[in-house]
Amino acid sequence: QQPVQSPQAVILREGEDAVINCSSSKALYSVHWYRQKHGEAPVFLMILLKGGEQKGHDKISASFNEKKQQSSLYLTASQLSYSGTYFCGTQVGSSNTGKLIFGQGTTLQVKP
Amino acid sequence: DAGVIQSPRHEVTEMGQEVTLRCKPISGHNSLFWYRQTMMRGLELLIYFNNNVPIDDSGMPEDRFSAKMPNASFSTLKIQPSEPRDSAVYFCASRAGGPTDTQYFGPGTRLTVL
Repeated sequence: QQPVQSPQAVILREGEDAVINCSSSKALYSVHWYRQKHGEAPVFLMILLKGGEQKGHDKISASFNEKKQQSSLYLTASQLSYSGTYFCGTQVGSSNTGKLIFGQGTTLQVKP
Repeated sequence: DAGVIQSPRHEVTEMGQEVTLRCKPISGHNSLFWYRQTMMRGLELLIYFNNNVPIDDSGMPEDRFSAKMPNASFSTLKIQPSEPRDSAVYFCASRAGGPTDTQYFGPGTRLTVL
């Protein structure tokens, strides 16, 4: 039931782009993206709802493909501050399901 | 707003001892979540409450773990007796509204059981 994230790790140079995928074998109602820096708590980035919408702020955006039960996080022109571990949290089944199941995380390292 | 508050931030104890972790959610939030994070298992949901009532405790590993939420501003996660495999970072998170609202995480408690 845990969603699968890919890749597990990625190393970038400043200014490069990255895509992180989150796939589920179950029907998704929403996908929540978080970033966690070492030794800190996960910090919310954005929520994607069923319906295939795409969201974004600054140079980070995400999409939700309902047919594929997959969400992708796009990081454009990466900055050093983007380094950390990215988690997707999936809400499975219905709008009333209260809990999120998190993927195993994707570690992103941005180098100067 | 102060955010989610957890205490202690670090706890070192010996196997067999009782451990109590504490959480104060953001004021006005009606849902509270306890997570455990380890390298091997990632971020796991242990239990969550809605309006102080436990809704889903299917992630609680075994009877040694228990959680309570006596009021809207306080929750505890207790491990008795503790074991070395319980060593992890335990996060508390709270949420204001429904399932599609944001969960805000506390800073976590790093538990080491020797």
